[in-house]
Amino acid sequence: QMQLQESGPGLVKPSETLSLTCSVSGASIRDYYWSWIRQSPGKGLTWIGHIYFFGAANYNPSLKSRVIISVDTSKNQVSLKVTSVTPEDTAIYYCARHPELIPDNWFDPWGQGTLVTVSS
Amino acid sequence: DVQMTQSPSTLSASVGDRVTITCRASQHIGHRLAWYQQKPGKAPEVLIYEMSNLESGVPSRFSGSGSGTDFTLTISSLQPDDFATYYCQHYKTYSLITFGGGTKVEI
Repeated sequence: QMQLQESGPGLVKPSETLSLTCSVSGASIRDYYWSWIRQSPGKGLTWIGHIYFFGAANYNPSLKSRVIISVDTSKNQVSLKVTSVTPEDTAIYYCARHPELIPDNWFDPWGQGTLVTVSS
Repeated sequence: DVQMTQSPSTLSASVGDRVTITCRASQHIGHRLAWYQQKPGKAPEVLIYEMSNLESGVPSRFSGSGSGTDFTLTISSLQPDDFATYYCQHYKTYSLITFGGGTKVEI
């Protein structure tokens, strides 16, 4: 059974970089597209970006200048970095799989999510 | 970008009720729509994909329908486990993926 587990600091200071990792078990990173999605009380669910191990990542234009998504096939992990964070980046961050091998897809399954708070 | 407008934002219902949630897309998206259920403290879980395909393991009281821009999630007989928040999501090719604002189903 496929499982996704997000991990990383729960508290990040303004202007610093948020770094999260999604560890995948029960499936190979090479076989699917993977997305990061965040959920904040004020803005609901926002797709951040996706990646396939063989190719470039694609990002939400509203975040593109500050986001990097990468994969580590040796560790079967997907990573997210968001630079120059502000309190508006406070959210629950989820990683999720695209069930079909295409970038434009629904998401299944999702990780349990990790809350990141941006505060000094 | 395709905007997804979901209604109502909150819905009060009772066990056994037939419940309908709607989602309107700002442009034609074909069948490229999914519905999710989210319970407090949990990640969203897909119920319906490709507008009307029931995800494996999801009870048959859930169904999806629609056409192009207007979509509906129906729960034929609301059960206690169904009190949750529901979201639609489009995934039209070459368009920014966006979600509806959510519908909270409460007693």
